[in-house]
Amino acid sequence: QSALTQPASVSGSPGQSITISCTGTSSDVGGYKYVSWYQQYPGKAPKLMIYEVNNRPSGVSNRFSGSKSGNTASLTISGLQAEDEADYYCISHTSSSTRVFGGGTKVTVL
Amino acid sequence: EVQLVESGGGLVQPGGSLRLSCAASGFTFSTYDMHWVRQPTGKGLEWVSAIGTAGDTYYAASVKGRFTISREDAKNSFFLQMNSLTAGDTAVYYCARGSWYEYWGQGTLVTVSS
Repeated sequence: QSALTQPASVSGSPGQSITISCTGTSSDVGGYKYVSWYQQYPGKAPKLMIYEVNNRPSGVSNRFSGSKSGNTASLTISGLQAEDEADYYCISHTSSSTRVFGGGTKVTVL
Repeated sequence: EVQLVESGGGLVQPGGSLRLSCAASGFTFSTYDMHWVRQPTGKGLEWVSAIGTAGDTYYAASVKGRFTISREDAKNSFFLQMNSLTAGDTAVYYCARGSWYEYWGQGTLVTVSS
């Protein structure tokens, strides 16, 4: 199972919106609603930001939103803030009942 | 409060074995599937293995045949037995709860080196 494809880095200025893509195949992202997103700061465990494509856990800012079209899922961060600077990972369920992560995207707030 | 605490990491020689444990508290452990995820230093997350509530098991291709996941609901714990370790298995290993990984442990470092 190959890793899902994410851009290595995305940047934006405070207040702007950015979108991180996560591209897989019909055997993972495109075939299931089981896509979630995680935020990770250096040296810390990841934190769940979005689950089941577009659902936000309680306590996560509504500036974070998720969507999916075909084999590509996306995470959008609106009103970018300095605290959003972190690594972001997507993950999907697969047709073999395993999971596969994306390679990760480093978000930089300019 | 939900807590997941990993233990068992350390330094091991290539070809050696190690058993990781994840102790859970603050929720009904037996009703959740549980996962192991690893992260080599400076690199991305990699899904390793999962165990369902019925004891069904799943493995990444990179560890299948070498790693074994198990759980002991009476002790609110699950485990990862790692055999035939190679340098490529060097990573921080996290345990995570449920289908969405809404809770994670703090991680335990496994270093495979001679």
